[in-house]
Amino acid sequence: DTEVTQTPKHLVMGMTNKKSLKCEQHMGHRAMYWYKQKAKKPPELMFVYSYEKLSINESVPSRFSPECPNSSLLNLHLHALQPEDSALYLCASSTAGGSSYEQYFGPGTRLTVT
Amino acid sequence: QKEVEQNSGPLSVPEGAIASLNCTYSDRGSQSFFWYRQYSGKSPELIMFIYSNGDKEDGRFTAQLNKASQYVSLLIRDSQPSDSATYLCAVPSPDKIIFGKGTRLHILP
Repeated sequence: DTEVTQTPKHLVMGMTNKKSLKCEQHMGHRAMYWYKQKAKKPPELMFVYSYEKLSINESVPSRFSPECPNSSLLNLHLHALQPEDSALYLCASSTAGGSSYEQYFGPGTRLTVT
Repeated sequence: QKEVEQNSGPLSVPEGAIASLNCTYSDRGSQSFFWYRQYSGKSPELIMFIYSNGDKEDGRFTAQLNKASQYVSLLIRDSQPSDSATYLCAVPSPDKIIFGKGTRLHILP
């Protein structure tokens, strides 16, 4: 079973709101990822948790903060977002860290910032 | 900076024909390669991965890898309208996967 679940499916938030995106996998994978995807562009990596160690894409603004409560769960906390942050946010997981392992994506959360 | 290049298309192929999607990569040391299919508004779906030179077949899909020439291709036989999507080539680097910009495939009924 290669299922990664994400909630919510859609989210509309104002620039002063605080919200969280949630991701869960039950495949025993040890690496989980957050990506941002704009229309007609490939996914851009934001964060990686591999064996509970966080790696950050230095270009990601601090208004995005990841949290990994356990090896099956990954959250993305959102605060003071800008309209240009509107995008499809994708969670993925892989067997282990190290990018030779194929990544499986969740269905995504469509975020709109107003 | 490692790069993955794909023709953005759209690539139009008649139903029932073979669709051929190509990808080139810059890092000669790359060992594994992935093809993802993405329908509009949906998330990427892994459809093929290949690690060794040569061909790998899975149903109507065949991935071809030529490390000497640094290209990887995806062939879709007996193309169906449901194959219309964007196909992303992806190549791992130490900390992440590098995606090509994707090729839009349109199967003509």
